[in-house]
Amino acid sequence: ETGVTQSPTHLIKTRGQQVTLRCSSQSGHNTVSWYQQALGQGPQFIFQYYREEENGRGNFPPRFSGLQFPNYSSELNVNALELDDSALYLCASSFVRGDSQNEQYFGPGTRLTVT
Amino acid sequence: AQSVTQLDSHVSVSEGTPVLLRCNYSSSYSPSLFWYVQHPNKGLQLLLKYTSAATLVKGINGFEAEFKKSETSFHLTKPSAHMSDAAEYFCVVSTPFTGGGNKLTFGTGTQLKVEL
Repeated sequence: ETGVTQSPTHLIKTRGQQVTLRCSSQSGHNTVSWYQQALGQGPQFIFQYYREEENGRGNFPPRFSGLQFPNYSSELNVNALELDDSALYLCASSFVRGDSQNEQYFGPGTRLTVT
Repeated sequence: AQSVTQLDSHVSVSEGTPVLLRCNYSSSYSPSLFWYVQHPNKGLQLLLKYTSAATLVKGINGFEAEFKKSETSFHLTKPSAHMSDAAEYFCVVSTPFTGGGNKLTFGTGTQLKVEL
């Protein structure tokens, strides 16, 4: 069974640029969530994708957007990068059926540095 | 809104002694609660989860947590600490979405240090 994988592992971008982060969900999972973890803090929920649609969103501006593909992999796109976007971006996958609140399994993260 | 409060930002124990990491929750209904661990430069690993079944939940690596509704607590314990337990621990509450899915809300974390 393959776990959650993310790419790239590290990324350095300049303020104002755009970035795309990628995530492959764990085998058998149908839902992907993205979290932002700033240094020294707990992860903050960005959004979740279920059935290829945004299922829920945290307190992040529209320049944070995403996609989920038919194979349940996902992308996180961030436009107009700001210095405060520097963080560890974590992808998590889970299996959703009905109203179950299943645990989420996390990938190793992508470390984004904005200069 | 659901939330969790981790009462200690840092906990230091000696190897072989018990571990207690404290977490209180706030929820308007019976919550789903989790503990995750994050080792340095690694992703988050699920330790255990509570979803309204047994109030005492056993997890991996000898950890367990007890759900106490009267105290709105979900403290994490381990009888005997090991050096490999040194990490950041997060108490987490789940909020369901209508139609399926859920988001996780993390506490601020407790850094566990294990000394010889």
